[in-house]
Amino acid sequence: GESVGLHLPTLSVQEGDNSIINCAYSNSASDYFIWYKQESGKGPQFIIDIRSNMDKRQGQRVTVLLNKTVKHLSLQIAATQPGDSAVYFCAEKGGGSNYKLTFGKGTLLTVNP
Amino acid sequence: ETGVTQSPTHLIKTRGQQVTLRCSSQSGHNTVSWYQQALGQGPQFIFQYYREEENGRGNFPPRFSGLQFPNYSSELNVNALELDDSALYLCASSLPGDGVETQYFGPGTRLLVL
Repeated sequence: GESVGLHLPTLSVQEGDNSIINCAYSNSASDYFIWYKQESGKGPQFIIDIRSNMDKRQGQRVTVLLNKTVKHLSLQIAATQPGDSAVYFCAEKGGGSNYKLTFGKGTLLTVNP
Repeated sequence: ETGVTQSPTHLIKTRGQQVTLRCSSQSGHNTVSWYQQALGQGPQFIFQYYREEENGRGNFPPRFSGLQFPNYSSELNVNALELDDSALYLCASSLPGDGVETQYFGPGTRLLVL
């Protein structure tokens, strides 16, 4: 079956450092991936997405890398700020399902001032 | 803000009761998906509605049902509530196209079943 998992459940970084959050997926047919940020008491907030025909995509302070060979996805946050503290989820879509997102459990990022 | 709104924000019910949760999608989005997020877990897909019809369903029993209205707003109904139904219920709206469907989430409804 398909699954999306995260390597580390928690990540603590110092303000100003770069953060890297990793995600492994098992469905080789997945063709679209999204990173979401969820702050306490709120719904998931879209950060960045990437299609399977790409291996890198950059946004403002964030970069997503996709390695289809090892089915691995990462989110890099540059110059991490206290406001980046949240739970980060990767989600995938595809592999015969064109309507649902499959989420992992999430990684809690804590930014220390 | 995503423009997706949900009501109510919080709800307390007792086991066996029925509940209706509501979602208004972002302007122009004709697809609404519902997810259940248990504490400490990622969201789990319940079902999706597209143009007022169910477009796909996750591994949830039939007591979870939904509706979508002509204005694309949606309801999630849960009958015979169980304690394990306590969770954050999220709706997400999207506009399918070009093989990519970014879903934008609302703030969720926190349901507690006692």
